[in-house]
Amino acid sequence: QSVLTQPPSVSAAPGQKVSISCSGGTSNIGINYVSWFQQLPGTAPKLIIYDTVKRPSGIPDRFSASKSGTSATLDISGLQSGDEADYYCASWDVTLTIVMFGGGTKLTIL
Amino acid sequence: QVQLLQSGPEVKKPGASVKVSCRTSGYTFSSHAITWVRQTPGQGLEWMGRISGYNGDTLYAEEVQGRISMTTDTSTNTAYMELRSLVSDDTAVYYCARGPSIVVIPGRIITEGLIDYWGQGTVVTVSS
Repeated sequence: QSVLTQPPSVSAAPGQKVSISCSGGTSNIGINYVSWFQQLPGTAPKLIIYDTVKRPSGIPDRFSASKSGTSATLDISGLQSGDEADYYCASWDVTLTIVMFGGGTKLTIL
Repeated sequence: QVQLLQSGPEVKKPGASVKVSCRTSGYTFSSHAITWVRQTPGQGLEWMGRISGYNGDTLYAEEVQGRISMTTDTSTNTAYMELRSLVSDDTAVYYCARGPSIVVIPGRIITEGLIDYWGQGTVVTVSS
């Protein structure tokens, strides 16, 4: 299935900031909102960003996101060991009429 | 609080069918669709389709079209996903998730958003 493009892995030390990119196209990210999900090992994904920039209740403001053109970015600042997880972006594609997910990015805390 | 509780693990032989349930609580069932997503071992997430909690309208991914059926039971606020003619590549964790939200206005039904709350996942193993 078609996917949005994410880097397979990123890493950073505790307290540092990391950015995860998500590249799509004009039929998805270019014209629709982006969501981001965090998946801790052995658990279901959890919504951390919706409508491109909004955080659900309970998600710390260390997590932020943005979009420019057909790409989106998730920023995580003040990294903690508990942030080590897989992160997925997602957006509705109006041409394929499906939800497209990114391939996932594994965040490792050094 | 919003909860989605899925049925237990399944082991099926190739060619068989599997039906996974997703019992919801904590919100008005008709106000959201239920989306089904699967995750193969060590791989990413794959959208399979969605069913409206309002009127049962479905939208399926092309990859499983013809083999999948999604239904709801509004008396128990439960959604079901049945996948037929199973092959080994269908071995995966299957998730139900709430979303998108459904807004009913005179003459129109629109959807908003993507997915927010997820079920705990159901492991489906297809093996001879």
